Amino acid sequence: DTEVTQTPKHLVMGMTNKKSLKCEQHMGHRAMYWYKQKAKKPPELMFVYSYEKLSINESVPSRFSPECPNSSLLNLHLHALQPEDSALYLCASSQVGGHNSPLHFGNGTRLTVT
Amino acid sequence: DQQVKQNSPSLSVQEGRISILNCDYTNSMFDYFLWYKKYPAEGPTFLISISSIKDKNEDGRFTVFLNKSAKHLSLHIVPSQPGDSAVYFCAASGVGSARQLTFGSGTQLTVLP
Repeated sequence: DTEVTQTPKHLVMGMTNKKSLKCEQHMGHRAMYWYKQKAKKPPELMFVYSYEKLSINESVPSRFSPECPNSSLLNLHLHALQPEDSALYLCASSQVGGHNSPLHFGNGTRLTVT
Repeated sequence: DQQVKQNSPSLSVQEGRISILNCDYTNSMFDYFLWYKKYPAEGPTFLISISSIKDKNEDGRFTVFLNKSAKHLSLHIVPSQPGDSAVYFCAASGVGSARQLTFGSGTQLTVLP
């Protein structure tokens, strides 16, 4: 069982919809991440939160809006998406800094934009 | 520009034999390297990591070797088991307050019974 929980597992949305992806971890990690993975490709970093503050935004379009309400929760708000945004969205968490701080990933949300 | 490369998209190995997965990187600022395993419809699962101050790290059946001068790392799985069949990603990051991982493109390992 993964210690990073993502909901929903699957999401189908139209281009005019507004939806949110949710992520929760209870490992005491203070860094949280959103990655996007297209089929047959490696995960690509979207956002990094460190101590609940956005520290990295990898030039992600504004139709993706992250939010970190507290140290355990991470949301990704979606609005006016395009069909090419269909992908697996992965949340991860880690300790901040240190040499032995691997990222722990959730099982992702499979998003389909119609 | 791919900073982390896995040049073998697939690898087939007989059960009980050694699996060797390879990874090359170009960014000399990377100081922390990881291997993840991914099954379909699941997120990547952390396997093993190594920092740049070491050249080998072992955990059970998994050993990671790092050759800094060649900018090359490898994952050895001994003995290979059918349950090891998955996509393996290597990843790397530099020093930072939060780890920004750069992933390779992955290698599909198939362990044949």
